[in-house]
Amino acid sequence: QVQLQESGPGLVKPSETLSLTCTVSGDSITNFHWSWIRKPPGKGLEWIGYIYHSGGTIYNASLKSRVTISMDTSRNKFFLNLTSVTAADTAVYYCARDKGDFGADYWGRGTLVTVSS
Amino acid sequence: SYEVTQPLSMSVALGQTANITCGGNDIGTKNVHWYQQKPGQAPILILYRDYNRPSGIPERFSGSNSGNTATLTLSRARPGDEADYYCQVWDTYTNWVFGGGTRLTVL
Repeated sequence: QVQLQESGPGLVKPSETLSLTCTVSGDSITNFHWSWIRKPPGKGLEWIGYIYHSGGTIYNASLKSRVTISMDTSRNKFFLNLTSVTAADTAVYYCARDKGDFGADYWGRGTLVTVSS
Repeated sequence: SYEVTQPLSMSVALGQTANITCGGNDIGTKNVHWYQQKPGQAPILILYRDYNRPSGIPERFSGSNSGNTATLTLSRARPGDEADYYCQVWDTYTNWVFGGGTRLTVL
């Protein structure tokens, strides 16, 4: 059974960097793509970007200047860094296994990150 | 950038059929996925590539995609189907994009 678990600080100050980790079990992150998605309070889902087996990345154009997704295959984890955060980045952040044309079939439970001083 | 539009909300009578739409320019030429999200829970993939159901998803969920509209059809609606439903589309320039979501209420 594939499982994903997000971890990281629940509170980040404005202008600082949001950093999250997604720990994957039951599958190797050298398979498929691995996505970050977020859901701001009262709003819909927003795709942030993904990393694929070779370490290549694709980002949402609206966030591209602030986002970095990376991976550590030895620990089967991948990471999200979002710089220069504002209150608009407050959201529940999810990591997911993305099978492209077959959809995102496994998701973490999500972690709430609040941007506030 | 590519945009997809969904109705903000809709309601369906218990036991009846709901059709949730996802509109986009020539969306019929793209693969559309659908997700169900209940409050406090992670989204669940309920349809991929327009009409394919992952293992464990009831046959009550079906889909179609043609022209400028993709449709998720929920038959024999139950109280447990109350949720937000999102479509997801891949566009060459925008990459993955989600619709704004439709809140379904079962009356």
